[in-house]
Amino acid sequence: EDKVVQSPLSLVVHEGDTVTLNCSYEVTNFRSLLWYKQEKKAPTFLFMLTSSGIEKKSGRLSSILDKKELFSILNITATQTGDSAVYLCANNDYKLSFGAGTTVTVRA
Amino acid sequence: DTAVSQTPKYLVTQMGNDKSIKCEQNLGHDTMYWYKQDSKKFLKIMFSYNNKELIINETVPNRFSPKSPDKAHLNLHINSLELGDSAVYFCASSPKLPASGMNTGELFFGEGSRLTVL
Repeated sequence: EDKVVQSPLSLVVHEGDTVTLNCSYEVTNFRSLLWYKQEKKAPTFLFMLTSSGIEKKSGRLSSILDKKELFSILNITATQTGDSAVYLCANNDYKLSFGAGTTVTVRA
Repeated sequence: DTAVSQTPKYLVTQMGNDKSIKCEQNLGHDTMYWYKQDSKKFLKIMFSYNNKELIINETVPNRFSPKSPDKAHLNLHINSLELGDSAVYFCASSPKLPASGMNTGELFFGEGSRLTVL
């Protein structure tokens, strides 16, 4: 069963566009919700969210969690070609369960 | 210095063979993991060790046997390789929250070992 569901599965945008990625999860001993970026090799950590409604920001990326509705979104503003990657969402209960990822392609 | 290092990075072998992948972390973390990423990029946990003790063992065939000689090392041995074992295997480690001792959830990944079974 899919504990973490990400949408869309993929999208193609142009440089400068804003992208919103969605992640819904099941709650069983919820500890945190994490976002990772994976380019060619290993996933790299972006955000960890534990509280609802508190936006985390890093440059053009931001993320927020809704623990009542059990979802999180990741926003990327003013996209650049270097943002092209697979974005992975993971639910941390006693282990990290990843979603299938959203493949973002940013065209120049 | 590489924080989480895996060897080999690439492995091509025949069905039925036995192979091992090694992983070492120099971050001082207590918890280490093996993840399998298939061709569709789905990242699935296989094993987790905390200070040399197995704490998570997902539904992985018995042909896969992890070994943790100390908390900085977690190796993966695979017997009787099958075509479906072809994937990228990622080792990872994670720190604990000082107060609770629970894992933070933030994973530090190695660069992956791409296994191709012919």
